[in-house]
Amino acid sequence: AQSVTQPDIHITVSEGASLELRCNYSYGATPYLFWYVQSPGQGLQLLLKYFSGDTLVQGIKGFEAEFKRSQSSFNLRKPSVHWSDAAEYFCAVGLLSGGYNKLIFGAGTRLAVHP
Amino acid sequence: NAGVTQTPKFQVLKTGQSMTLQCAQDMNHEYMSWYRQDPGMGLRLIHYSVGAGITDQGEVPNGYNVSRSTTEDFPLRLLSAAPSQTSVYFCASSPRQGKNYGYTFGSGTRLTVV
Repeated sequence: AQSVTQPDIHITVSEGASLELRCNYSYGATPYLFWYVQSPGQGLQLLLKYFSGDTLVQGIKGFEAEFKRSQSSFNLRKPSVHWSDAAEYFCAVGLLSGGYNKLIFGAGTRLAVHP
Repeated sequence: NAGVTQTPKFQVLKTGQSMTLQCAQDMNHEYMSWYRQDPGMGLRLIHYSVGAGITDQGEVPNGYNVSRSTTEDFPLRLLSAAPSQTSVYFCASSPRQGKNYGYTFGSGTRLTVV
């Protein structure tokens, strides 16, 4: 069955430090891949997406992600974290099923940022 | 451009009551879907629609009904609320295909069933 795994439930980093959030998926073909961010009490905002082509994808707020087919991974990175990046981050896979592209989400990684 | 609008933002129901969560989008998106979010479980798909008049079940459809009479609206109905339906509900919409494919989410409805 298709699944998305985010191995880290909680991550704490210092402001200005680099960040990498991990995401692994289980799917036979190359899926559509997404990263969303959710601030407390808010909806989900799309950070970036990968469909095909260049495996390094740039997103909003200085985030990037790299698709690695051999590792079935789509890790999210940011070179220097800001306090405002504290939020929950969700990786998602877009799967074609019955003619419909539906999203399967990971359980999320909650990021805390120390000043 | 409002995006995806959900109402109400908060709701408390008694067990057995019914209610409708409203969702509207003004982006002319073909795809619409409802998710519920529970701690440690990410978001799970309840129902989805690929266009007006067409709906289907997601992962966790039991206890919920949907209909889609227009492109813009996709209401979610709770038939007889149960405490297990206490959750945060998100509506999302997306274009069908192409480079703009990707879901836009509403701000959510926090539902408590007592």
